[in-house]
Amino acid sequence: ETGVTQTPRHLVMGMTNKKSLKCEQHLGHNAMYWYKQSAKKPLELMFVYSLEERVENNSVPSRFSPECPNSSHLFLHLHTLQPEDSALYLCASSQTPGRSLFFGSGTQLSVL
Amino acid sequence: GESVGLHLPTLSVQEGDNSIINCAYSNSASDYFIWYKQESGKGPQFIIDIRSNMDKRQGQRVTVLLNKTVKHLSLQIAATQPGDSAVYFCAENLGDYKLSFGAGTTVTVRA
Repeated sequence: ETGVTQTPRHLVMGMTNKKSLKCEQHLGHNAMYWYKQSAKKPLELMFVYSLEERVENNSVPSRFSPECPNSSHLFLHLHTLQPEDSALYLCASSQTPGRSLFFGSGTQLSVL
Repeated sequence: GESVGLHLPTLSVQEGDNSIINCAYSNSASDYFIWYKQESGKGPQFIIDIRSNMDKRQGQRVTVLLNKTVKHLSLQIAATQPGDSAVYFCAENLGDYKLSFGAGTTVTVRA
């Protein structure tokens, strides 16, 4: 266990559905991240929160909406997704932004 | 474009041999680098990191080498074991909050 827990592990949704991914870290870290991992492509940074404030929004479509209610929890709200959004969504946390990220196991998302 | 890349997408190693995984980076201003291991069905697992003011760092069975002159990073795994089979990623810190990842090298350990 890395101390970063993601739920659900797997998610199948239609293009008109609304769903949320949840991430919780038990490490006392100050920064949390959402990354997207698609087959045969490098990890893509989506969002970064530092001390609950969004500090990076890496040109992500508005159908992805992050929420960080406190330093231990991070959500990714999904609505009207496209099939090309199917991927593994990884949450990570770190004490220092951009250094020594600890990842969760990810949510494998399939959009039908 | 991608600023971090790996030389080879796959590497096959005999059990017990040493493995060397290479990575090239393009941003000379990067001051921090990390190696991750990702097994099937799991998230990336931190292996070892190195700051740009160092050229070598050792961990348990792993060594990271940094050559800033040619912008090259390598991960050496001693006495490779079956449990070392995974995808290995290098990543560089581009400043502030951004950690940029390479595409990964798949390491397969032969018994």
